[in-house]
Amino acid sequence: DVKVTQSSRYLVKRTGEKVFLECVQDMDHENMFWYRQDPGLGLRLIYFSYDVKMKEKGDIPEGYSVSREKKERFSLILESASTNQTSMYLCASSPAGGSGANVLTFGAGSRLTVL
Amino acid sequence: KQEVTQIPAALSVPEGENLVLNCSFTDSAIYNLQWFRQDPGKGLTSLLLIQSSQREQTSGRLNASLDKSSGRSTLYIAASQPGDSATYLCAVTGTASKLTFGTGTRLQVTL
Repeated sequence: DVKVTQSSRYLVKRTGEKVFLECVQDMDHENMFWYRQDPGLGLRLIYFSYDVKMKEKGDIPEGYSVSREKKERFSLILESASTNQTSMYLCASSPAGGSGANVLTFGAGSRLTVL
Repeated sequence: KQEVTQIPAALSVPEGENLVLNCSFTDSAIYNLQWFRQDPGKGLTSLLLIQSSQREQTSGRLNASLDKSSGRSTLYIAASQPGDSATYLCAVTGTASKLTFGTGTRLQVTL
């Protein structure tokens, strides 16, 4: 069963801590994405990557960075967590081209609480 | 900037009813539109993808339509079941393959 795995389902961190959210996909997808989901605001794109070592800013990149050293792994990093980064974080992947390019497969999500 | 709106925000129907969920978008220059399902505390599952050149797609009891020129899509669910209870989100793909999501319609199907 192919899937996107987010290693941490629930995290509680303190303000100022460095936070790593890990995402691994086993579908050999080129594209990977990080979204955050907040009530009333929907899903907003933080960063995305079309290839290894490649990254592009999404709509709300401030306060975040990403790393893609291997094709299957895309990490989201909060250098200094703040309370306004309390949210549900969703990772997704998709193949590079063809009709499947925009059919995203999502992970189960990581709910982060920053105190 | 693309904006996607879903109305209503929440909907409760008795089991067996047919229902329609609505999605509208402001920029008609899209490549496709997708409908997703999200169960509480979970990720998103893709239900249907409609390419910009298509008018509708069907999967089982689900039928999605697209009117690109008017910026509208509907998701029709036939003979609703309690297992259909979830949040349904639509998303449009625009330039640079970026998806813009609506805020979703939370559906509850009651016994």
